[in-house]
Amino acid sequence: DAKTTQPPSMDCAEGRAANLPCNHSTISGNEYVYWYRQIHSQGPQYIIHGLKNNETNEMASLIITEDRKSSTLILPHATLRDTAVYYCIVRGNSGGSNYKLTFGKGTLLTVNP
Amino acid sequence: GAGVSQSPSNKVTEKGKDVELRCDPISGHTALYWYRQRLGQGLEFLIYFQGNSAPDKSGLPSDRFSAERTGESVSTLTIQRTQQEDSAVYLCASSLEGPGDYGYTFGSGTRLTVV
Repeated sequence: DAKTTQPPSMDCAEGRAANLPCNHSTISGNEYVYWYRQIHSQGPQYIIHGLKNNETNEMASLIITEDRKSSTLILPHATLRDTAVYYCIVRGNSGGSNYKLTFGKGTLLTVNP
Repeated sequence: GAGVSQSPSNKVTEKGKDVELRCDPISGHTALYWYRQRLGQGLEFLIYFQGNSAPDKSGLPSDRFSAERTGESVSTLTIQRTQQEDSAVYLCASSLEGPGDYGYTFGSGTRLTVV
């Protein structure tokens, strides 16, 4: 699996946009970028994923650079309930063990009132 | 059910005893994963089941750990002769596989405490 690099922690003011960066410089052509988050004492929650185009859903937007070596997860209007550890993961979709998710240490996002 | 169900939610056991953890995946999900998360740490991959293929057991930390899954249904993770370092939250996840899947759904985990 390609490795990802994320800052260990970030702060954001409530109501402002939270922009969480992720570097994945060794990503290969068939690997997707996935984002999950884990709120304290809960299991991880899927947020969004993408291959090369930007993606948006009801939770967040995912911006992937043209060279695919980095991406940014955007929470447009952060709330206190968005405080969590955010994990950026790259994973293949071509079958076999490429489906395995490998979690790094993630970014602890703290949303402040 | 609507989500991934794990039982028990909490388990306290004495060192040296065997424990069995259960995971009920979302109906129709062909892939099932077990992960372990020690206090304050990230998730460690343990084992992966995909349909009728041989499971990927590469993450199991020792031969005291084993897991089974019958078809595409329930999975059990068994830890024999538990040690204090086995104390952790054990998380199960399931998913549809293939292009276009929408990620994995995790259960709430089983918190195992070995005393």
